[in-house]
Amino acid sequence: KAGVTQTPRYLIKTRGQQVTLSCSPISGHRSVSWYQQTPGQGLQFLFEYFSETQRNKGNFPGRFSGRQFSNSRSEMNVSTLELGDSALYLCASSFGLADEQFFGPGTRLTVL
Amino acid sequence: GENVEQHPSTLSVQEGDSAVIKCTYSDSASNYFPWYKQELGKGPQLIIDIRSNVGEKKDQRIAVTLNKTAKHFSLHITETQPEDSAVYFCAASIDGGFKTIFGAGTRLFVKA
Repeated sequence: KAGVTQTPRYLIKTRGQQVTLSCSPISGHRSVSWYQQTPGQGLQFLFEYFSETQRNKGNFPGRFSGRQFSNSRSEMNVSTLELGDSALYLCASSFGLADEQFFGPGTRLTVL
Repeated sequence: GENVEQHPSTLSVQEGDSAVIKCTYSDSASNYFPWYKQELGKGPQLIIDIRSNVGEKKDQRIAVTLNKTAKHFSLHITETQPEDSAVYFCAASIDGGFKTIFGAGTRLFVKA
């Protein structure tokens, strides 16, 4: 069974731009969560989607948004990029909301 | 707020020795405790988990213990090998999912 895939793997953007990251969960998994990983803050929860609905949201500004499609694939968008948004963005999928999470390889975003 | 403390931040052991990583959590409602291994350039990989109705769980060279009264849980790796070198994260959550709080990580070096 294929694992969680994320595209692109690397991105370089400049301040003020916006970016869209994509995540394809493991086949059959309906829940997708997004995390931001930085050396200073560690792994921080962004949001979680289940059946195309955002179920939970972490403490991030409104510039961070996401959505989930009917095939469970998910995208997250960051608008008006800031230098501090440079991070590894990880997607994790699980069968249901309360099940074990499996992480993708992440998208490394660098904001210049 | 909820917090997970993880120690040590760095651990260096000789091949064949044991390694122990310890975590404490603050939210007494937490009932699911996964451990992840993250290698360079990859997303975290679930290596073992334990639920609050169990005190200990073992999988080959890896074991996890949980003390709910003290709100402590630990990862034990026996007969360490160079390929065990990675960053290990503990986490605590309520039924998995969005309330997963991660520890800051332990960088394990196994010297051949």
